[in-house]
Amino acid sequence: KAGVTQTPRYLIKTRGQQVTLSCSPISGHRSVSWYQQTPGQGLQFLFEYFSETQRNKGNFPGRFSGRQFSNSRSEMNVSTLELGDSALYLCASSLASSTENEKLFFGSGTQLSVL
Amino acid sequence: QKEVEQDPGPLSVPEGAIVSLNCTYSNSAFQYFMWYRQYSRKGPELLMYTYSSGNKEDGRFTAQVDKSSKYISLFIRDSQPSDSATYLCAMSAVGGGNKLTFGTGTQLKVEL
Repeated sequence: KAGVTQTPRYLIKTRGQQVTLSCSPISGHRSVSWYQQTPGQGLQFLFEYFSETQRNKGNFPGRFSGRQFSNSRSEMNVSTLELGDSALYLCASSLASSTENEKLFFGSGTQLSVL
Repeated sequence: QKEVEQDPGPLSVPEGAIVSLNCTYSNSAFQYFMWYRQYSRKGPELLMYTYSSGNKEDGRFTAQVDKSSKYISLFIRDSQPSDSATYLCAMSAVGGGNKLTFGTGTQLKVEL
């Protein structure tokens, strides 16, 4: 079974631009979560999507948004990029058989550099 | 103060040693406890998953949760060079879905 796939693997953008990252969950998984990882703050929760609906959100500004498609694939968008948005963005999927926490499986991430 | 505290290390041990990794937390709502391993330039890989208090063993790995002390541990027996990685603890509250709160990670190096 293929794991969580994230594209692109690396991305370089300049301040003020916007970026879209893509995530394909493990087949059969219905929940997709996004996390930001930086050396200073570690791993921080961005949001979780289930059945095309956001069901949980972290403490990030509105510049960070996401969506989920009917096939469970997900995208996240960051608008008006800032230098501090440079980070590894990780996508994770789970079966989502309930609203409780489940085992999360992470992709390898998209390394975003903002210049 | 962070909700989850974890000693960042780095921790260096000889091959075959027993490794003890720990996290403390302040949020009493946390009920789900996890340990992830992350290699350089890779995503975190789930090692251990525990609900509420108690011990759980899987091969060379043992996870312990002490909710009364708000303290969790991961023990690695007979450590191998391939165990060299960053170990992250993570926690979630009931009803929190997949919103995990992570520790900052402990960097472990197992030397020959």
